[in-house]
Amino acid sequence: EIVLTQSPATLSLSPGERATLSCRASESVDIYLAWYQQKLGQAPRLLIYDGSTTATGISARFSGSGSGTDFTLTISSLEPEDFAVYYCQQRRKWPLTFGGGTKVEIK
Amino acid sequence: EVQLVESGGGLVKPGGSLRLSCAASGFTFSSYSMNWVRQAPGKGLEWVSSISGDSIYIYYADSVKGRFTISRDNAKNSVYLEMYSLRAEDTAFYYCTRVVKPAAYWFHPWGQGTPVTVSS
Repeated sequence: EIVLTQSPATLSLSPGERATLSCRASESVDIYLAWYQQKLGQAPRLLIYDGSTTATGISARFSGSGSGTDFTLTISSLEPEDFAVYYCQQRRKWPLTFGGGTKVEIK
Repeated sequence: EVQLVESGGGLVKPGGSLRLSCAASGFTFSSYSMNWVRQAPGKGLEWVSSISGDSIYIYYADSVKGRFTISRDNAKNSVYLEMYSLRAEDTAFYYCTRVVKPAAYWFHPWGQGTPVTVSS
């Protein structure tokens, strides 16, 4: 199966700062990678799919980039509501797999 | 508005069975693949199973293959997950999800989830 490795595990930043989250795949997933946000006690929410396509209703401060094995989620300027856990997911091959998550916490 | 509402979770003994249901509304149900994703307490997300709109294509994670069965009833706008031979490691919140567009297995939206606890 394709293993997704997210780094860092925890990112400590202040509101207004730029966040850069990484997801690395064990083999190429082409552009078939998505990013989700999960706040405490809530279901995950789709942010980005196909590597860089922003999902409906998602703020423009979220952007995705990358292809092949290396992907990045960037939050241009952190708002208080952005402190959460972020997961990547691939759909290049079955089984579908998620990364272990990056927690973005308030510094 | 698209809505997914799960039900059927609860406490079950190891080796027992449980049937989860997910009622969908707000979209043409038969046109979309549906999925179950779970999250163990304090852990990350794990894809469990997917079923195409016409039920022809069905996929399972290795961890549940042979023990779980996904199905759907397009007349009732519902998808189900029948779980057998449950183990402690199946304890998790189970989310029902739709795909963002037909045949593109990105999960959106998500239901609120239903908890399953496997314990004696």
